[in-house]
Amino acid sequence: DGGITQSPKYLFRKEGQNVTLSCEQNLNHDAMYWYRQDPGQGLRLIYYSQIVNDFQKGDIAEGYSVSREKKESFPLTVTSAQKNPTAFYLCASSIGTYNEQFFGPGTRLTVL
Amino acid sequence: AQKVTQAQTEISVVEKEDVTLDCVYETRDTTYYLFWYKQPPSGELVFLIRRNSFDEQNEISGRYSWNFQKSTSSFNFTITASQVVDSAVYFCALRGSTLGRLYFGRGTQLTVWP
Repeated sequence: DGGITQSPKYLFRKEGQNVTLSCEQNLNHDAMYWYRQDPGQGLRLIYYSQIVNDFQKGDIAEGYSVSREKKESFPLTVTSAQKNPTAFYLCASSIGTYNEQFFGPGTRLTVL
Repeated sequence: AQKVTQAQTEISVVEKEDVTLDCVYETRDTTYYLFWYKQPPSGELVFLIRRNSFDEQNEISGRYSWNFQKSTSSFNFTITASQVVDSAVYFCALRGSTLGRLYFGRGTQLTVWP
């Protein structure tokens, strides 16, 4: 089945630790995205990538980093510089940046 | 600037009622795209529809219908004869022609009671 997978579904980390969230897609999509969702805030764009080895900052990139070494993978690292990392993180992909985005199941990160 | 406003934070209806979710957008682009997504309690966003700015025809898909009006910058979503399974958060989103990114509204939580 084609789709987007995110792992793990729930993640707990201690304050000050970096953590990497996985996002993989087998849809052969060129573009991939990371969003953060907080209660009542809607979705806010962290980073997006239109092609391999290229990515751009979104609205809330501070404290996050990404890489795009392979077309199917777009991991997100939440660094210790992110002041309030506890949130629901959603990964998405699209054929091109002008097409509808399809979303993964999300990862709920809790920093203790 | 691109902006999407969903003024209704929460809506509650009883099963079989019709319900309309409002979406108002702002953009300076002449070509743009509007989207609706559904987020059930599981958390994954489900794509519902995409509408191009040059196509103002309303669309119907089963119990779902969308009313796009450029004159009022609105793209409203109506669910006819609502069901409990329609309970979810619904997001409206906008994409302009210059950048590929989406701008989301804050979402409307719809609760359908049996």
